Amino acid sequence: QKEVEQDPGPLSVPEGAIVSLNCTYSNSAFQYFMWYRQYSRKGPELLMYTYSSGNKEDGRFTAQVDKSSKYISLFIRDSQPSDSATYLCAMSGRRVGGTSYGKLTFGQGTILTVHP
Amino acid sequence: GAGVSQSPSNKVTEKGKDVELRCDPISGHTALYWYRQRLGQGLEFLIYFQGNSAPDKSGLPSDRFSAERTGESVSTLTIQRTQQEDSAVYLCASSLKGGDTQYFGPGTRLTVL
Repeated sequence: QKEVEQDPGPLSVPEGAIVSLNCTYSNSAFQYFMWYRQYSRKGPELLMYTYSSGNKEDGRFTAQVDKSSKYISLFIRDSQPSDSATYLCAMSGRRVGGTSYGKLTFGQGTILTVHP
Repeated sequence: GAGVSQSPSNKVTEKGKDVELRCDPISGHTALYWYRQRLGQGLEFLIYFQGNSAPDKSGLPSDRFSAERTGESVSTLTIQRTQQEDSAVYLCASSLKGGDTQYFGPGTRLTVL
């Protein structure tokens, strides 16, 4: 079993839809949770970064972490064709001293297409 | 300023040959990471350099894989005696220090025939 599971999709939605992307994980040591967006033939770019449980909002994007269920989500409101990309969840443990440990464990990625 | 750069962008090689992939991190970033991304898969951690500390090599899949970093600058990932299963995109990332936001390069697409 992989440490991080993510439905690869593909997911196709009409412009303006609300998109929900999810990951589950098995390692209770994970404390830092990230969502990356990756356009075709490009490197991933960080979208959202959260520590421990809770919600974080940034514009049209909301990240949720539920550590008790080992479940994280990314919601995209008013989706746009420019949001079409692969979305990767990533997570890391916490180093003694409080900072994130650098090594990231990624999900498989969900391919999202937003059509006009 | 310039982001993370990687070279070459594409590399086609024959099975059994050695390859070297290069990463130039963002200037001033002390931490550098290598990941591998197979087709349709997420990123798989390979190795992590943090300043002068011993690198975390726990993700290297076999002893055919090695990496070096010169101080806090350029890194080279070397794959010896390449196999077809080594075909993937190799991504490099850097961060200001370990645990900070990682900024990724565009990757090197390696194809082993």
